[in-house]
Amino acid sequence: EPEVTQTPSHQVTQMGQEVILRCVPISNHLYFYWYRQILGQKVEFLVSFYNNEISEKSEIFDDQFSVERPDGSNFTLKIRSTKLEDSAMYFCASSDPGQVSSYEQYFGPGTRLTVT
Amino acid sequence: LAKTTQPISMDSYEGQEVNITCSHNNIATNDYITWYQQFPSQGPRFIIQGYKTKVTNEVASLFIPADRKSSTLSLPRVSLSDTAVYYCLVGNNAGNMLTFGGGTRLMVKP
Repeated sequence: EPEVTQTPSHQVTQMGQEVILRCVPISNHLYFYWYRQILGQKVEFLVSFYNNEISEKSEIFDDQFSVERPDGSNFTLKIRSTKLEDSAMYFCASSDPGQVSSYEQYFGPGTRLTVT
Repeated sequence: LAKTTQPISMDSYEGQEVNITCSHNNIATNDYITWYQQFPSQGPRFIIQGYKTKVTNEVASLFIPADRKSSTLSLPRVSLSDTAVYYCLVGNNAGNMLTFGGGTRLMVKP
């Protein structure tokens, strides 16, 4: 069964450093998403991406965040200057545009980001 | 987006049927009801989606009454590996963001 993959599985960085989290969505999917989950809290939406542009973003997704699809397979989330409160599990997801009215998104295993 | 309300936690024993009910009183006409499962340190996983009446797949059944103001996820004969958080979501349109609530933490005991 096709799956979303994410790298690295765990990233430790110092406050103020830039990080790039990488995702490879399912190959025929055209909608891509990033979510995050702070330890013990809810899964929170960050951004959705379709047709090479952001389609929706939450209040969390401020100027420190950016997303990119640099080639035909990767989807990245960049945090320019990390803060302690950015420590969380970051999940990438993708979905199939053919599934109209479907909320079926496929999530990756996540990247645990630890900011020290 | 329709707000959902579901129990914070439930306990069950192996082999029992588990029913988790979700309230969504202000569901819109074109909204679907979707359930996700999340194991610790893993991403959420789609379980089932429905619009009305009953939907069944290899994992679960979803019961939706005629007024659609609630729904019940039914897990037949649970095992220890069904211990997870279960989320009820309501909305429509592919490509839309998912809004997760707190979910229901199901603990299956031996």
